[in-house]
Amino acid sequence: AQSVTQLDSQVPVFEEAPVELRCNYSSSVSVYLFWYVQYPNQGLQLLLKYLSGSTLVESINGFEAEFNKSQTSFHLRKPSVHISDTAEYFCAVYSFSGGYNKLIFGAGTRLAVHP
Amino acid sequence: ETGVTQSPTHLIKTRGQQVTLRCSSQSGHNTVSWYQQALGQGPQFIFQYYREEENGRGNFPPRFSGLQFPNYSSELNVNALELDDSALYLCASSPTSGGGNEQFFGPGTRLTVL
Repeated sequence: AQSVTQLDSQVPVFEEAPVELRCNYSSSVSVYLFWYVQYPNQGLQLLLKYLSGSTLVESINGFEAEFNKSQTSFHLRKPSVHISDTAEYFCAVYSFSGGYNKLIFGAGTRLAVHP
Repeated sequence: ETGVTQSPTHLIKTRGQQVTLRCSSQSGHNTVSWYQQALGQGPQFIFQYYREEENGRGNFPPRFSGLQFPNYSSELNVNALELDDSALYLCASSPTSGGGNEQFFGPGTRLTVL
């Protein structure tokens, strides 16, 4: 069975500092991996995704994630964070079996950016 | 292009009652999935509807049921509400039930059971 582990429940960081949110997955088949962001009292927004090809994927707002098959990881990084990046971040793996697909999410990492 | 919408935004019910949550999928999407997000946790898959049929279900009891309509909008019904049903319910639509397609999420309905 596929699963996702987010290693940090909370990550406090100062503005303009770099940050890494860690995600490990468990899967015996080819994986599609996603990072979603959830701002307070809102739904989920897709931040970036890995489907195939280049192992380094980037978002439009400066985040990047690298798919590492040997370490079964998909860590999210940003070289310089802003106050507006404060949110909950969820790593997810796509599961397709039995003719349907679903997302399996980690428990989330709360990123708190301080001035 | 209209995104995924959900109604109502918030809802308060008491134990034992029944509730219906609604979701309108994004234009052109024929697949709708529902997720439950308890406080402090990641979303958990409830079930998926494709062309008006349930085609996949997570580990939720039968009192969680759903419908999908010809316009691909969907309802989530929960009977005999329990306190642990308090959560954010998220609806997501995608263009097909096949693998690799992104799921687009609505803003969610926050259900509180007293």
